[in-house]
Amino acid sequence: AQKITQTQPGMFVQEKEAVTLDCTYDTSDPSYGLFWYKQPSSGEMIFLIYQGSYDQQNATEGRYSLNFQKARKSANLVISASQLGDSAMYFCAMREDSSYKLIFGSGTRLLVRP
Amino acid sequence: DAGVTQSPTHLIKTRGQHVTLRCSPISGHKSVSWYQQVLGQGPQFIFQYYEKEERGRGNFPDRFSGHQFPNYSSELNVNALLLGDSALYLCASSLKAGGAKSTDTQYFGPGTRLTVL
Repeated sequence: AQKITQTQPGMFVQEKEAVTLDCTYDTSDPSYGLFWYKQPSSGEMIFLIYQGSYDQQNATEGRYSLNFQKARKSANLVISASQLGDSAMYFCAMREDSSYKLIFGSGTRLLVRP
Repeated sequence: DAGVTQSPTHLIKTRGQHVTLRCSPISGHKSVSWYQQVLGQGPQFIFQYYEKEERGRGNFPDRFSGHQFPNYSSELNVNALLLGDSALYLCASSLKAGGAKSTDTQYFGPGTRLTVL
């Protein structure tokens, strides 16, 4: 069964430091995609980064990178040089190529301290 | 380019009433998916519309129905509202339907916050 697990309900990080948000997933489909979204208090879900199951290299988008370990079924998000504006909820999500839906984890609330 | 837009922003209804939420996808996107996000949880998939047909549905009762118009905008209708329907309703658009490669990213709108009293 498809499942996304985020075990960190809340995280603190000092401004300008790096932080890793954990995500593990479960699927029996060999072809899938993993996504990270940021949700500020306003509610909008903002797409950050994508990793395909067959991608050989870890995805990067600016200050965001994805530490993809396929054998361990983990897709951790790394945010470098944290900024105050990074304070938000972060959701890991997965979509199997054969499916219509994104499956989301329960989210991690990140608070960046000045 | 405009992103996904949703209306209204907020809505208050009473139990038993009916509600209609609206979504306009990103220009060029043909697929619209609806999600329900209850406070403190991740979004849950309701259904997806592609080329004006419902292409996939999550574990939601028939009280939840939808429609996609020729311009690819979409409506979510909820009948006989329950207190438990109080949530943030998110619309997401993508180029293609599910079953396409997972690289087809879903982009979300700002949501409609529904409160049922």
